[in-house]
Amino acid sequence: GQNIDQPTEMTATEGAIVQINCTYQTSGFNGLFWYQQHAGEAPTFLSYNVLDGLEEKGRFSSFLSRSKGYSYLLLKELQMKDSASYLCAVADSNYQLIWGAGTKLIIKP
Amino acid sequence: IAGITQAPTSQILAAGRRMTLRCTQDMRHNAMYWYRQDLGLGLRLIHYSNTAGTTGKGEVPDGYSVSRANTDDFPLTLASAVPSQTSVYFCASAAGQGTDTQYFGPGTRLTVL
Repeated sequence: GQNIDQPTEMTATEGAIVQINCTYQTSGFNGLFWYQQHAGEAPTFLSYNVLDGLEEKGRFSSFLSRSKGYSYLLLKELQMKDSASYLCAVADSNYQLIWGAGTKLIIKP
Repeated sequence: IAGITQAPTSQILAAGRRMTLRCTQDMRHNAMYWYRQDLGLGLRLIHYSNTAGTTGKGEVPDGYSVSRANTDDFPLTLASAVPSQTSVYFCASAAGQGTDTQYFGPGTRLTVL
């Protein structure tokens, strides 16, 4: 079967760095997405990785290792507005997105 | 309008009733999707459409139907609602199928009693 695993919840301190991990087992791989979802709102796109390595975009970076079926989202200089759920999704062989349940990130002052 | 809109924002529905959730986008995107989001579960694809006039089944299509008469609109119909269809429903669109970024509507919170 297809499976995406993420931690359910993480807590971090304002100004710190946090790494949210995602492991996946899917039928085929056509890229991995990270989305951010604030409570009661729609998911919004953060990043897309299809090749191994690190993609940096401001305070957010995303890493992919296809051989390990592993990705992480790195958030630096955490701000209170970063409190949200972070969703990992993999495009499978049919280009359908398989979604993880999301990681709820709580930022404390 | 700009982007993707959904209606209604929320709805309480008696079991057995028919309900259509509306979704409209003005980005001229070819692909559109319907997901449901339940606590503790990832987004699950209900139905999708790669282009106007075509539709396909996702992971959890039973009890739902869709149509795609034109590029902009992608309504989702529950023919006879059941309590297990209580969920938050998100519509999304993308320029094309495949790995194009999906843009989500604000969601419809549906409660079936």
